[in-house]
Amino acid sequence: KAGVTQTPRYLIKTRGQQVTLSCSPISGHRSVSWYQQTPGQGLQFLFEYFSETQRNKGNFPGRFSGRQFSNSRSEMNVSTLELGDSALYLCASSLGDSTLLANEKLFFGSGTQLSVL
Amino acid sequence: ILNVEQSPQSLHVQEGDSTNFTCSFPSSNFYALHWYRWETAKSPEALFVMTLNGDEKKKGRISATLNTKEGYSYLYIKGSQPEDSATYLCAFNAGNNRKLIWGLGTSLAVNP
Repeated sequence: KAGVTQTPRYLIKTRGQQVTLSCSPISGHRSVSWYQQTPGQGLQFLFEYFSETQRNKGNFPGRFSGRQFSNSRSEMNVSTLELGDSALYLCASSLGDSTLLANEKLFFGSGTQLSVL
Repeated sequence: ILNVEQSPQSLHVQEGDSTNFTCSFPSSNFYALHWYRWETAKSPEALFVMTLNGDEKKKGRISATLNTKEGYSYLYIKGSQPEDSATYLCAFNAGNNRKLIWGLGTSLAVNP
């Protein structure tokens, strides 16, 4: 089975621009969640999508948004980029259909390294 | 504010040494505790998901214990090998959702 695929691997943008990151989950996985990692900070939860619906959201401004398609692929969008948005963005997939979501292992992609200049 | 702390921040050991690190988390509203291994230039890889107080999990030379009442988990590596070099992350779940709260990790370097 192919793993979680994130594209692009690296991205350089300037302040004020917007960016879209893509995540293809493992085949059969219906849950995709997104995390941000900045230097000196642990992974921060952005949001989770399941069956094309946002199921949970972290504490990020509205500039951060996402969506999920019928094939479970997910995209994350950041509008009006700020310098502080420079980070590694990871997505993770899981089956997502357990009643105990907390118990499910997450399968991560390699991430997209975003640099905002 | 929920906080997860890991110690030590980094660790250097010799091949063959056994080692352990700690993950501390809030003892209230516990749902699950996750351990992941993150090797440089790779993706984080799940090691264990632990849910019950007193739980012990084992995968090869790596094992973990969980104490939800006092809010800590230990990860043990027996007979460390150079391929164990990685950052070990723990993450705490305070609800039945995907909002994992992550520690900063313990960076392990195993010298041959």
